[in-house]
Amino acid sequence: QQQVKQSPQSLIVQKGGISIINCAYENTAFDYFPWYQQFPGKGPALLIAIRPDVSEKKEGRFTISFNKSAKQFSLHIMDSQPGDSATYFCAALSNYQLIWGAGTKLIIKP
Amino acid sequence: NAGVTQTPKFQVLKTGQSMTLQCAQDMNHEYMSWYRQDPGMGLRLIHYSVGAGITDQGEVPNGYNVSRSTTEDFPLRLLSAAPSQTSVYFCASSTFRVSEQYFGPGTRLTVT
Repeated sequence: QQQVKQSPQSLIVQKGGISIINCAYENTAFDYFPWYQQFPGKGPALLIAIRPDVSEKKEGRFTISFNKSAKQFSLHIMDSQPGDSATYFCAALSNYQLIWGAGTKLIIKP
Repeated sequence: NAGVTQTPKFQVLKTGQSMTLQCAQDMNHEYMSWYRQDPGMGLRLIHYSVGAGITDQGEVPNGYNVSRSTTEDFPLRLLSAAPSQTSVYFCASSTFRVSEQYFGPGTRLTVT
């Protein structure tokens, strides 16, 4: 049973466009929501994270939007670049355990 | 700093064999964890440790054992390998900000 549902499974965006990846959760005990980026053959790397008492967090071209009442959060990548092509994972933390979404493979077309 | 290191990088086992995947970190992190990554399923937590001598089970612990005798090392043991354990295994570490984990390069394991 997947506790964190991520969509879409794959996404193709033109260079300069906005990439949007969505996640939803059910467990209200989750208390931190990170996003990780993974390149082929590498381990995931933390991109940005948000607490549930914050509605939005921005770091450079990356923004997390968080809707606590809807139990949804999303990653927006502005001005998407070919170097952003990777697999992105949302996750949720509770009791020292990170629960992960299934991942979104993002391809940025030049 | 080497960060999180894992050995071996690749391994092929026969069903029923046992082996240990090694993980070490040099960042003095209290928290360490093991995940498996399968296509279309994201990462799933196998076991984790919040400090030397303390381990606990994650989502998918069956068939795996861990121990944490030092802060630096967190080996994962496969007791009797099964084809269902074919996967990529990642070790990670963090301070107690567990949402900010640092991952190793992974071990690709195939069980035939």
